[in-house]
Amino acid sequence: NAGVTQTPKFQVLKTGQSMTLQCAQDMNHEYMSWYRQDPGMGLRLIHYSVGAGITDQGEVPNGYNVSRSTTEDFPLRLLSAAPSQTSVYFCASSYSERGEQFFGPGTRLTVL
Amino acid sequence: GDSVTQMEGPVTLSEEAFLTINCTYTATGYPSLFWYVQYPGEGLQLLLKATKADDKGSNKGFEATYRKETTSFHLEKGSVQVSDSAVYFCALLNNAGNMLTFGGGTRLMVKP
Repeated sequence: NAGVTQTPKFQVLKTGQSMTLQCAQDMNHEYMSWYRQDPGMGLRLIHYSVGAGITDQGEVPNGYNVSRSTTEDFPLRLLSAAPSQTSVYFCASSYSERGEQFFGPGTRLTVL
Repeated sequence: GDSVTQMEGPVTLSEEAFLTINCTYTATGYPSLFWYVQYPGEGLQLLLKATKADDKGSNKGFEATYRKETTSFHLEKGSVQVSDSAVYFCALLNNAGNMLTFGGGTRLMVKP
């Protein structure tokens, strides 16, 4: 199993550009989530999904969109990037909401 | 809302020293508590967990006890190794089971 994979590993954007961060898991997990990690603030939940076709907002959802068309994939979209979105983004998955979460390696995003 | 506070780092220790990283939390109801570890350039990995008061989680020589009376979940290890150098995150899972709240992380550096 590859576990949770994320692409790209690094990305630099200009303010106003859009992009999609990819996340995929091959463990047949129902629950998937996106976090951002900022220095001294730990990880904060952006959006999560409890299964295909179902998504919900986390703690810091503004500026991000998600969709879940398959069990395996959970992309995160930035429609108009802002410097405040400079961060490291982690995708995670688990068998259920209360199950152990498995994290991907992260995407380091810089918005200029 | 829920919150997690952990001691700021970096914590620098010599090999075989005793480790304590403090973690306290604020939450309603009965959250589950976790310690995650992040090695350089990697995503987070679950280190240990406790789901109810007085539970002790343990793994790889690390231990933490869920203390409801002091709302704490301090991480301890009797003898650290250079390979334990990483960032450690305390986290709680809310009652609904749909949101992990993380502390700011504590960087541990172990010198030979």
